[in-house]
Amino acid sequence: GAGVSQSPRYKVAKRGQDVALRCDPISGHVSLFWYQQALGQGPEFLTYFQNEAQLDKSGLPSDRFFAERPEGSVSTLKIQRTQQEDSAVYLCASSLVNVYNEQFFGPGTRLTVL
Amino acid sequence: TQLLEQSPQFLSIQEGENLTVYCNSSSVFSSLQWYRQEPGEGPVLLVTVVTGGEVKKLKRLTFQFGDARKDSSLHITAAQPGDTGLYLCAGVGSSNTGKLIFGQGTTLQVKP
Repeated sequence: GAGVSQSPRYKVAKRGQDVALRCDPISGHVSLFWYQQALGQGPEFLTYFQNEAQLDKSGLPSDRFFAERPEGSVSTLKIQRTQQEDSAVYLCASSLVNVYNEQFFGPGTRLTVL
Repeated sequence: TQLLEQSPQFLSIQEGENLTVYCNSSSVFSSLQWYRQEPGEGPVLLVTVVTGGEVKKLKRLTFQFGDARKDSSLHITAAQPGDTGLYLCAGVGSSNTGKLIFGQGTTLQVKP
């Protein structure tokens, strides 16, 4: 496809369950970012990959959050033992490596933890 | 810690009115971007400003980057219902990993 795709679009989990969120970036985009967005707020940075290397994970809120991009393309964000405060929209973005770092966002996965 | 303060947070206006959204920081950014986001979708890039004092126009939207590259504004002339959405400013952080630091967003509602 032409844009960034994410799946599932919606996920409902019971507290304590593990979830996996998938991101398919634009083909050829080297950089991949994950953001967390609370309702009506701006996205907050979680983690960043350049190809398969995770260069910045400073935004991950706890060790229950884990992200990978093993072949430098598709990425998965995993949340273990979900808690209610994890409820949010998780956005994935990709970009070419360029000076202006223009990022293209997917539609997001809305996670609701009951 | 680099922060972006965006104001106002909410704006409800009538079609045809003008408005300005502000994005301020105490930190310098190498570039600043404006995004528009609709419900259920990801943010879509409107413009990137790079040079201090730069002004860019996109139809009825005018974007300005402050001389010191710490602040920016978005001005919409003759707003239309189709302009309704969440407007986000985002700066490229000083770490140069490319991560974006977003403001809280401005929810704009334009009533016909």
